[in-house]
Amino acid sequence: DSGVTQTPKHLITATGQRVTLRCSPRSGDLSVYWYQQSLDQGLQFLIQYYNGEERAKGNILERFSAQQFPDLHSELNLSSLELGDSALYFCASSVDGFNEQFFGPGTRLTVL
Amino acid sequence: ILNVEQSPQSLHVQEGDSTNFTCSFPSSNFYALHWYRWETAKSPEALFVMTLNGDEKKKGRISATLNTKEGYSYLYIKGSQPEDSATYLCAPSAGGYQKVTFGTGTKLQVIP
Repeated sequence: DSGVTQTPKHLITATGQRVTLRCSPRSGDLSVYWYQQSLDQGLQFLIQYYNGEERAKGNILERFSAQQFPDLHSELNLSSLELGDSALYFCASSVDGFNEQFFGPGTRLTVL
Repeated sequence: ILNVEQSPQSLHVQEGDSTNFTCSFPSSNFYALHWYRWETAKSPEALFVMTLNGDEKKKGRISATLNTKEGYSYLYIKGSQPEDSATYLCAPSAGGYQKVTFGTGTKLQVIP
């Protein structure tokens, strides 16, 4: 158990819908990262937050947005969902945004 | 987004054999290199974070070296065991903040 929690574990929804994925970092970690793993693809970095502020952005679609709240939990919002958005979404946290990342168990999103 | 290459893509070794994999990345603007171990149906788990040219890190039977001038890192496993079977990911970061790019990984299977 890495100490990072993600909810929900599984999510099934329809095209065009909007969903919110939630992540709670390890106690004491200030930085949160979001990754997407699509079928047969590697880990794609989406976005990083540090202490409430966006720090780095990767291949995140405009339909996706994220934020980190004052209590340091983070949410990833996915809107206008398409079939291709079906993937495993991981959240990770690190103490300072530079050291090792601890990954949560992931949220499996299925868009039908 | 960095161009990260890992080789080989997959590897089968006998229990007790030693093995190594390579991670290649652009040497310019390098910040840090992470190695992660990813078992099937689990989340990635950090092995090492390396920042300095010539860095060598060790954890049990696993060790890693880093050459930032030529842009490569080696991961070594001595006396492979079945529990070492996993995908090994390298993730270099560049720039002022940790904008991470994961390689596609080397999938190791250790045959008892």
